[in-house]
Amino acid sequence: DTAVSQTPKYLVTQMGNDKSIKCEQNLGHDTMYWYKQDSKKFLKIMFSYNNKELIINETVPNRFSPKSPDKAHLNLHINSLELGDSAVYFCASSQDRFYGYTFGSGTRLTVV
Amino acid sequence: AQKVTQAQTEISVVEKEDVTLDCVYETRDTTYYLFWYKQPPSGELVFLIRRNSFDEQNEISGRYSWNFQKSTSSFNFTITASQVVDSAVYFCALTTMDSSYKLIFGSGTRLLVRP
Repeated sequence: DTAVSQTPKYLVTQMGNDKSIKCEQNLGHDTMYWYKQDSKKFLKIMFSYNNKELIINETVPNRFSPKSPDKAHLNLHINSLELGDSAVYFCASSQDRFYGYTFGSGTRLTVV
Repeated sequence: AQKVTQAQTEISVVEKEDVTLDCVYETRDTTYYLFWYKQPPSGELVFLIRRNSFDEQNEISGRYSWNFQKSTSSFNFTITASQVVDSAVYFCALTTMDSSYKLIFGSGTRLLVRP
């Protein structure tokens, strides 16, 4: 069983479209995250939810909206996609921030 | 503010050489944790090690070893007798008491091990 699973693994879409990336964890962790990795490999946090409550919301355009229906799921919806949104998006979870994260395998988003 | 610096953008070595990846961190917190992650060409992020600020003991795991020095705010990673499979991007990361569950990453060091 995959601990943190993201779907889809690859996503190619046109500018202006709306898309969602789904994330599920079966580790029983309380906290989930979305990170963005740009073309230079830099990893930056976007959002974090703890028990369905938003606790971190970095400077991210309003076109990005996370949704956590329960503590095992954290989805990322992106409206009006732009070329600059092309990146790899990683979902992660942790039980304790000092224990570290378990990452999903990433979703490579390409906006054309 | 918290910050992690990995000054080495890319390192290239020949197989069986030893290589050290540098990591320097900044924080005012006295309680913090440091991590190393590996990102192989396949793209996933693999956890390697966690170290807390109260434990300055060095750690060895097979060919991997880590040197934590609070005096220089460094947490360096050494691979002994490198292998081609070690080729990856390696990230150092930091989380602190007041970082609100954020894991702050360095910019990564790309290691290429040539046969």
